[in-house]
Amino acid sequence: EVQLVQSGAEVKKPGESLKISCKASGYSFTTYWIGWVRQMPGKGLDWMGIIYPADSDTRYSPSFQGQVTISADKSISTAYLQWSSLKASDTAMYYCARRGFGEVDAYHIWGQGTMVTVSS
Amino acid sequence: SYELTQPLSVSVALGQTARITCGGNNIGSKNVHWYHQKPGQAPVLVLYRDSHRPSGIPERFSGSNSGSTATLTISRAQAGDEADYYCQVWDTSTVVFGTGTKVTVL
Repeated sequence: EVQLVQSGAEVKKPGESLKISCKASGYSFTTYWIGWVRQMPGKGLDWMGIIYPADSDTRYSPSFQGQVTISADKSISTAYLQWSSLKASDTAMYYCARRGFGEVDAYHIWGQGTMVTVSS
Repeated sequence: SYELTQPLSVSVALGQTARITCGGNNIGSKNVHWYHQKPGQAPVLVLYRDSHRPSGIPERFSGSNSGSTATLTISRAQAGDEADYYCQVWDTSTVVFGTGTKVTVL
């Protein structure tokens, strides 16, 4: 079964760093792009960026460029989203999702989400 | 930047047809994907490339896309169709999501 399993909920203080993960199974990890999507409480979906695990080619939404870092470790079929200095406004649910083959394809498979709470 | 506009809410009587629109500049030239999201759950793909259904999605879900509007149609609406629905396109190598529509089945 194709799955993306994300790491558990996090509670952090402003200024702290964080790295959350998305582990893929059931398919060849290096074959598909993986994207990250933010959903702030009660709000819609915001696309953050995407990575191609085979060579770590990464693209960011202009809104998130410089704010987060997307990476992948193909040896353990895991993608990451990290922050160097969290803000309260980073409080949100974060989803990873696997894109289909085509360059403009949909996200067919989604992780269960990781809730990040940033509060002093 | 490219924007996708959806109605905030759509109500449909049980067993009737709901239509959810997604408006964008010349959206008919793009591939539109649709997701639904139930409370506390991750989004689920319901249509891709305008009108294709992933396995497991009922035939009651259909789509069209032309000009400046894409439409997701839910026929014979069921209580289980209640969810938030989002359209999505790619624009200059960037993903754009619609504003989202809350579908209520009466």
